[in-house]
Amino acid sequence: EAEVAQSPRYKITEKSQAVAFWCDPISGHATLYWYRQILGQGPELLVQFQDESVVDDSQLPKDRFSAERLKGVDSTLKIQPAELGDSAMYLCASSNPGQGNYGYTFGSGTRLTVV
Amino acid sequence: AQSVTQLGSHVSVSEGALVLLRCNYSSSVPPYLFWYVQYPNQGLQLLLKYTSAATLVKGINGFEAEFKKSETSFHLTKPSAHMSDAAEYFCAVSGSRALYDKVIFGPGTSLSVIP
Repeated sequence: EAEVAQSPRYKITEKSQAVAFWCDPISGHATLYWYRQILGQGPELLVQFQDESVVDDSQLPKDRFSAERLKGVDSTLKIQPAELGDSAMYLCASSNPGQGNYGYTFGSGTRLTVV
Repeated sequence: AQSVTQLGSHVSVSEGALVLLRCNYSSSVPPYLFWYVQYPNQGLQLLLKYTSAATLVKGINGFEAEFKKSETSFHLTKPSAHMSDAAEYFCAVSGSRALYDKVIFGPGTSLSVIP
């Protein structure tokens, strides 16, 4: 069964350092999503890509977060500088074009701890 | 705009008892509705989805949910709880039209199964 790959699984970083997460969606899925899930809460959308273009980044804290998907395949989410409040699970998901509303396939996530 | 509320952040049931997790939604367009399950330090797995076909939807692991438009509800049920059902459950909604294809998640319900 096709999977969304994410790495690393776990990351511990110090406050004010830079950190990056990687996601490889299911082959052929043009739409890619990054979600942040704070412990005890539901996932919140940070950014949505259609191919290499950002469709929605309204909830992305742009002063410290950036996301790219240069070739329209894999994607990187970066935080610089990291803050204590950024500790969360970062989830990547992908869907077929125009079928995001039929449900996503999620990766296993990256658990970030900022100390 | 779409939103989801889940009544009860924690639900405990005895093994073999009925599982009922409540979800109510709000949507400005006809909705698509989803239930996802999340095990500790894992991504989200799609249990079932309603996409305007049959109102009673059957999913994996013996779960089912019924879409009730008049009540704006999409409650999740399972006739007999198993220990392996202990997890976090998220109800989610998206719109059935292309511009509303973001999936919005509820806050989640933690299910405990008592032996």
